[in-house]
Amino acid sequence: AQSVTQLDSQVPVFEEAPVELRCNYSSSVSVYLFWYVQYPNQGLQLLLKYLSGSTLVKGINGFEAEFNKSQTSFHLRKPSVHISDTAEYFCAVSEKNYGGSQGNLIFGKGTKLSVKP
Amino acid sequence: DGGITQSPKYLFRKEGQNVTLSCEQNLNHDAMYWYRQDPGQGLRLIYYSQIVNDFQKGDIAEGYSVSREKKESFPLTVTSAQKNPTAFYLCASSTPPDAGGVDTQYFGPGTRLTVL
Repeated sequence: AQSVTQLDSQVPVFEEAPVELRCNYSSSVSVYLFWYVQYPNQGLQLLLKYLSGSTLVKGINGFEAEFNKSQTSFHLRKPSVHISDTAEYFCAVSEKNYGGSQGNLIFGKGTKLSVKP
Repeated sequence: DGGITQSPKYLFRKEGQNVTLSCEQNLNHDAMYWYRQDPGQGLRLIYYSQIVNDFQKGDIAEGYSVSREKKESFPLTVTSAQKNPTAFYLCASSTPPDAGGVDTQYFGPGTRLTVL
């Protein structure tokens, strides 16, 4: 069975500093990987996704993530954060299924990023 | 504008009452999903539907029911059998899987249900 571990439940950081939000996954088959962001009392918005090809994926709002198969990780990074990046970030994994959706996107428990002035 | 709408945004109900949460999408997506979100728990799948008139239980289906009579609509009923219904409920729909089998889920704004 697949699982996702977000290693930090909360990450405080000062404005304009770099940030890395860590995500590790476990699966016996090949996977697709996603990062979503959730602002308070809102739904989730897709930041970026890794499907195949280049291991460095660029997303919206200046975020990027790197897929590392050997370490089964998909860490999210931003070189310089803004106050507006304060939100909760979710890593998710879906097993590759040739033939249709399994409806089985597994989420981590989330990391709350708090950007301080 | 294309998107997913959920209504109402906030919902209060007395214990023992059934309540139905609305989810509508105009993205022409076949698949739709319901998740429950509790603080520190991430998202857990309640039900999903890949096509009209068909749906499957997710990880925490007990105490919930759904219907999928139209492609655009996937309402969730929280029944009195759900022991702890207070939570944030998120609806999603997904693009069709490509040749590699990947689909991407897009989320509505959520409904916060409080049972008094």
